[in-house]
Amino acid sequence: NAGVTQTPKFQVLKTGQSMTLQCAQDMNHEYMSWYRQDPGMGLRLIHYSVGAGITDQGEVPNGYNVSRSTTEDFPLRLLSAAPSQTSVYFCASSYSTQSGPPLGEQYFGPGTRLTVT
Amino acid sequence: QQQVKQSPQSLIVQKGGISIINCAYENTAFDYFPWYQQFPGKGPALLIAIRPDVSEKKEGRFTISFNKSAKQFSLHIMDSQPGDSATYFCAAATYGGSQGNLIFGKGTKLSVKP
Repeated sequence: NAGVTQTPKFQVLKTGQSMTLQCAQDMNHEYMSWYRQDPGMGLRLIHYSVGAGITDQGEVPNGYNVSRSTTEDFPLRLLSAAPSQTSVYFCASSYSTQSGPPLGEQYFGPGTRLTVT
Repeated sequence: QQQVKQSPQSLIVQKGGISIINCAYENTAFDYFPWYQQFPGKGPALLIAIRPDVSEKKEGRFTISFNKSAKQFSLHIMDSQPGDSATYFCAAATYGGSQGNLIFGKGTKLSVKP
């Protein structure tokens, strides 16, 4: 099991550019989520998904889009990058009931460090 | 509105000492309280978790103490080791509800000095 994988590990963007952060898991988890981590701010939820075809907004969704076409993949899109989106992004997954909330441990990927200049 | 408040922001402990990190929550609907450990350059990983039906849970050197009436819970690391140096996050969620997303505290950076 690779667990939760994220690509790329590092990325530098210019303001206004777009990009997609990739996340994949091989644990057949229904629930997946994206967080951003900023110094002194903890982990803040951006978007989450309780199953393929179902996504919803978290605490800080502005400037980000997600989609969930398969159970395994949950990409995060930045449509027009801004310096305020400089952060470390983590994807996580968890067991859950069918289209239900996460149950127990969330497994985190290694993160993507994004810098927007 | 911050729903989970964590303190201290940073903590320095001598090897062999006890590390204590505290968290307070506001939402009485929370029913799952995990602690995550994060090493530099890595993603957070679950360390230990507790449900409100017990007041304490111990796993090795790590103990969660839970006070439902005060809406507080804490992590105690006994016999702290340099390898415990990491950032610790408390979190809370309503697993009995329809959403269940984790709400994280802001983190505590622990340094254990040899």
